[in-house]
Amino acid sequence: DQQVKQNSPSLSVQEGRISILNCDYTNSMFDYFLWYKKYPAEGPTFLISISSIKDKNEDGRFTVFLNKSAKHLSLHIVPSQPGDSAVYFCAASGSSNTGKLIFGQGTTLQVKP
Amino acid sequence: DTGVSQDPRHKITKRGQNVTFRCDPISEHNRLYWYRQTLGQGPEFLTYFQNEAQLEKSRLLSDRFSAERPKGSFSTLEIQRTEQGDSAMYLCASSLGTFNEKLFFGSGTQLSVL
Repeated sequence: DQQVKQNSPSLSVQEGRISILNCDYTNSMFDYFLWYKKYPAEGPTFLISISSIKDKNEDGRFTVFLNKSAKHLSLHIVPSQPGDSAVYFCAASGSSNTGKLIFGQGTTLQVKP
Repeated sequence: DTGVSQDPRHKITKRGQNVTFRCDPISEHNRLYWYRQTLGQGPEFLTYFQNEAQLEKSRLLSDRFSAERPKGSFSTLEIQRTEQGDSAMYLCASSLGTFNEKLFFGSGTQLSVL
């Protein structure tokens, strides 16, 4: 069962425009959510996170929104840059404090110059 | 470089052979995780250690897989009698073990079983 889903395998946007990546989850016990970025031949690198007690977290060009009632989160990148082209993974963690993350399938973002 | 280090970066083996991967976590991190990633999928949890204790194993981890973390430092992941379905990227990550924390990942070991 896929507890964290990223239904869009790919997204293409123009440089300078907004990129919106979406993620849905099914387990209401998840209380911490993260976004990771992955370049080819590298491991995932942490981008931004949000706790379930918040509905928005911002870090520079990156903003994550959490809608708990809809079990949905999104990552906004404004403005998008060609260097943002990568695979983006949404991940969730439960309240057991094991630190174990459940990942979505990933969305490949291409930012065109 | 004080990041998570994995060795080797690539491993090609024949079906039925045993392989072993090594992970060196960030030195002050007491939690260490192994994940597996196949093409088009996100990383899947395999197992994790708190210091030297292996606290959780995924049902994905068959009897052919074994992981150790002697003395709570580096970790090894061994796969015995490899099968073609074991071909994947094996990722190691580490963390401090605090609440609501992020994992730091290594670059992974790409395993190809022929």
